[in-house]
This record gives sequence, C-alpha cells and structure tokens, in this order.
Amino acid sequence: DQQVKQNSPSLSVQEGRISILNCDYTNSMFDYFLWYKKYPAEGPTFLISISSIKDKNEDGRFTVFLNKSAKHLSLHIVPSQPGDSAVYFCAASDRGSRLTFGEGTQLTVNP
Amino acid sequence: DTGVSQNPRHKITKRGQNVTFRCDPISEHNRLYWYRQTLGQGPEFLTYFQNEAQLEKSRLLSDRFSAERPKGSFSTLEIQRTEQGDSAMYLCASSRATGDSNQPQHFGDGTRLSIL
Repeated sequence: DQQVKQNSPSLSVQEGRISILNCDYTNSMFDYFLWYKKYPAEGPTFLISISSIKDKNEDGRFTVFLNKSAKHLSLHIVPSQPGDSAVYFCAASDRGSRLTFGEGTQLTVNP
Repeated sequence: DTGVSQNPRHKITKRGQNVTFRCDPISEHNRLYWYRQTLGQGPEFLTYFQNEAQLEKSRLLSDRFSAERPKGSFSTLEIQRTEQGDSAMYLCASSRATGDSNQPQHFGDGTRLSIL
C-alpha cells in the first residue's frame, strides 16, 4: 500500500527554466509534508515543508504547493541550476511522527 | 553546526553475523528515528524514540532487530543473525519535539550494510 507516490521517476530540464516535481498521497490523516534532496552516498537533505493548514510555502528558489482536495503537492524550483541535479523525495507525516516517503524523482538540470 | 552522525559508514559482514550501528543526533533534538532504504525506493520507517522512550516500531522491525537509546542521546540499532535481505542503507534522523509537532527531520549520511 503506497500512501505517497511520485509517478515520474525522472525529469530533465534546462538550466534557468522551472522544474516541477509532483507527489500524490492517499492518507487524509497526513498533516505535514516535506521535500528532501538526496545526492549519491549522502543522506536526504531537508529542503522545504508545508503544513496542511497552508496551500503554499516559499523559500528562495523553492516553492511547495499543497492541494488538499486533490491530495497532491508539488515542488517548483526556479530558476533551475545544474547543482539542483539530485533525487528528490516527497514525504508526509501524521501528527509529527514517522515520515512516509515517495519513491523519488531523479532531476537532471542540463547546462 | 554538527549534524546527525552515523557510524560506521559501511559494514560488510557474512550472513548470520550480528551487526550494530550507532547514531548521534543533533544535540538539542529529543526525537530520533531509524529508516531503511533499498535501491530505487524511498526510506522506510523502522522505529523512533522520544528521549529514551521507544514510541513506535514498524512491522518491518522483526524480532532480529533491536534499537536502544539508553540515555536519550545516541542510539544503536542491532541486527542479529543477518540475512541477505537485510542489505540496505540504514538512515538515522533527528528532530525537535515542540508544541507544534511539525518539525523537519534531519538525516545522517547512513550506514550501508552489505551481507555476503
């Protein structure tokens, strides 16, 4: 039972353009959502989060959007940079305990 | 700023041996989590502690697995009688529990376990 799904295993964009990564969830009890970036041989690095009481959160080049009715969230990176190339995971939690992760999306930003 | 530290980074052992991993969380964080990640998948939750109390365990955590956090600081994860299927990256994360429970978890770089 995959409660968090990232349907795109990979995404390729040009430097300077927008990257949009998508995530869907099924558990309506999730109330906190996060995005992590992961380089090979390193642990996931926290990027940005959003509480279920909001629909948008921005931090520099990164914006997360939450659509609770569709059970969908997205991460926008603009402008994209080659250093953004990594695997991106979305994650969700219910009452601040365990995180449930998606399968990840490999983002490649081409110079 | 000291992040989450995990040791060893790599562990190679023969099937049937016991292994123990250590995690040192960010110093002011009172919650500590263990996850397991296999190739092509996201991390999967194993267990978590608030201070020294183990509050939740996943069904993935068979009786061969045990985790401790004796003084509410560092934690150890032991796997007894290792099996081929235990080969994975074991990740530790920590966070601060506050009145607002929505605090991000911060991860270490993991221990990669390979079972021969």
